Amino acid sequence: EADIYQTPRYLVIGTGKKITLECSQTMGHDKMYWYQQDPGMELHLIHYSYGVNSTEKGDLSSESTVSRIRTEHFPLTLESARPSHTSQYLCASSAPMGGVHEQYFGPGTRLTVT
Amino acid sequence: EDQVTQSPEALRLQEGESSSLNCSYTVSGLRGLFWYRQDPGKGPEFLFTLYSAGEEKEKERLKATLTKKESFLHITAPKPEDSATYLCAVPNQAGTALIFGKGTTLSVSS
Repeated sequence: EADIYQTPRYLVIGTGKKITLECSQTMGHDKMYWYQQDPGMELHLIHYSYGVNSTEKGDLSSESTVSRIRTEHFPLTLESARPSHTSQYLCASSAPMGGVHEQYFGPGTRLTVT
Repeated sequence: EDQVTQSPEALRLQEGESSSLNCSYTVSGLRGLFWYRQDPGKGPEFLFTLYSAGEEKEKERLKATLTKKESFLHITAPKPEDSATYLCAVPNQAGTALIFGKGTTLSVSS
């Protein structure tokens, strides 16, 4: 079983607030990812990282930002939440560099912006 | 454009009624195909990786197979606890992340 954690699991917040979604993994994986998933829809990549101080934007445009200061930690921040940010956010990690490996997912954060 | 298409969107089975889910992809130079299970409100759980045509992987009542253009997830004698959404994914051309299909939602009734 993968050891990847996300907090909070559920968050309801008002428009304009700044929020940070936390993601941590204990597997020593270099690669980490953030996906966004709306009900009944596919996962869309919004950010990824290949290691400390490495971050890239994914295929889906997002107003969020990420940081990777420690290998095990990959937080996602929204400076000013809007109702359009309401979604499920999933964090994942995968094995060290070299080849394409399976990704392991956290339980997700369900964000609702009112 | 790389694409992953899963069918059917939803599948209802009686307990013990075997069936198959389909995943077709258009990415060239396949570098792996991944199957996941996702329960409501949870993150996807990794099931299988397939790398080459003809390869098969099994886990309990599930068997995944791969051809050059598609993959099948065969479910033999399913039980209610197999009810979930099954996702397949392939790496994008750059190899930076996975492209997911929308999934097949399986409901197994007793």
